[in-house]
Amino acid sequence: GQNIDQPTEMTATEGAIVQINCTYQTSGFNGLFWYQQHTGEAPTFLSYNVLDGLEEKGRFSSFLSRSKGYSYLLLKELQMKDSASYLCAVRYNFNKFYFGSGTKLNVKP
Amino acid sequence: EAQVTQNPRYLITVTGKKLTVTCSQNMNHEYMSWYRQDPGLGLRQIYYSMNVEVTDKGDVPEGYKVSRKEKRNFPLILESPSPNQTSLYFCASTGTDNEQFFGPGTRLTVL
Repeated sequence: GQNIDQPTEMTATEGAIVQINCTYQTSGFNGLFWYQQHTGEAPTFLSYNVLDGLEEKGRFSSFLSRSKGYSYLLLKELQMKDSASYLCAVRYNFNKFYFGSGTKLNVKP
Repeated sequence: EAQVTQNPRYLITVTGKKLTVTCSQNMNHEYMSWYRQDPGLGLRQIYYSMNVEVTDKGDVPEGYKVSRKEKRNFPLILESPSPNQTSLYFCASTGTDNEQFFGPGTRLTVL
């Protein structure tokens, strides 16, 4: 499988900003996705990037650099409900998805 | 309401007893996938389908079968389950806007 790498766990304070990084193999790349998954629940879609640059959606933004095989998810004005796992996924060759192991984000008061 | 449904949500079975996990979506999506999620390994794609009668292997297809006879349904079949198939399974469908919707998950235990 493809190596999708992201940190295992991060901790941040309520109201702060946190950046979750993801690196991936570039050959066959066809889109990068971020999902949020609360414990015991299904993943929910956050963002999709296929071109370089920043996509902003409310408090969440996602950045992509295709040449570097790098993306990050930026969460602003953190809230307690943002405590969850964040999954980075890459679609290869238009049809196969590979996921990272997920980054568990702990938001503290 | 746009949704992906899976049944059953929980299943405990024994080695070798054939089982099917159903998946249905009401969004008219062409692309559907099955994943398994194991601690420390993340989500891994088992099979996917680009459209009716078009299926292909994902990263971990061994021990699984699928079918896509109609657009809305994409069942996952375990002909002879083994304990290493104990996992949390998710079905998902993807629209043309690339947003992937996941079902609620099926927690399978094979004894």
